[in-house]
Amino acid sequence: EDQVTQSPEALRLQEGESSSLNCSYTVSGLRGLFWYRQDPGKGPEFLFTLYSAGEEKEKERLKATLTKKESFLHITAPKPEDSATYLCAVRDSGAGSYQLTFGKGTKLSVIP
Amino acid sequence: DADVTQTPRNRITKTGKRIMLECSQTKGHDRMYWYRQDPGLGLRLIYYSFDVKDINKGEISDGYSVSRQAQAKFSLSLESAIPNQTALYFCATSEAGGAGELFFGEGSRLTVL
Repeated sequence: EDQVTQSPEALRLQEGESSSLNCSYTVSGLRGLFWYRQDPGKGPEFLFTLYSAGEEKEKERLKATLTKKESFLHITAPKPEDSATYLCAVRDSGAGSYQLTFGKGTKLSVIP
Repeated sequence: DADVTQTPRNRITKTGKRIMLECSQTKGHDRMYWYRQDPGLGLRLIYYSFDVKDINKGEISDGYSVSRQAQAKFSLSLESAIPNQTALYFCATSEAGGAGELFFGEGSRLTVL
């Protein structure tokens, strides 16, 4: 059974204080690892897809990295507008690969 | 206008009532999905459809049914709502053959009293 665990559950940062969110996963074969951002009262918004260990993707202050067991979302010099819940999801390459398994998310608060 | 539109955005109903949540999309994607989000449980797949004639159960389909009326429309029904179906429901779309990135609507908050 695919599993996705995100940590920490919640993170408070001062504006400009860089940090990382973790997503550890268990799959029989990874077809893709996805990061989403979700604002309160909104649907998740796609950020990145990572396919293989060693891959990195960047967007503004966010950088996602991938190893064989986990992914990190690095946030450099965050701003208050980066406050949101960040979701990680995986797609297994095995049977039922149409489904994404989501983690419970990390709620990030960036304080001015 | 949003690419994936859900109606209603909020609904309060009573136990035993029939409820329909509707989703329409302008992204031109073949694949559509219904997810449920509960605090502390994350997003869980209810049903998905790869085209008008292809509908499949997801992880938590009991108590729900769906209808794919057209490529752009996918509705979710609760035939007899119960309180533990109180949740935030999301419709999503994806391209066929793509990596699987999902594009979500803004959600329908359902409360069953």
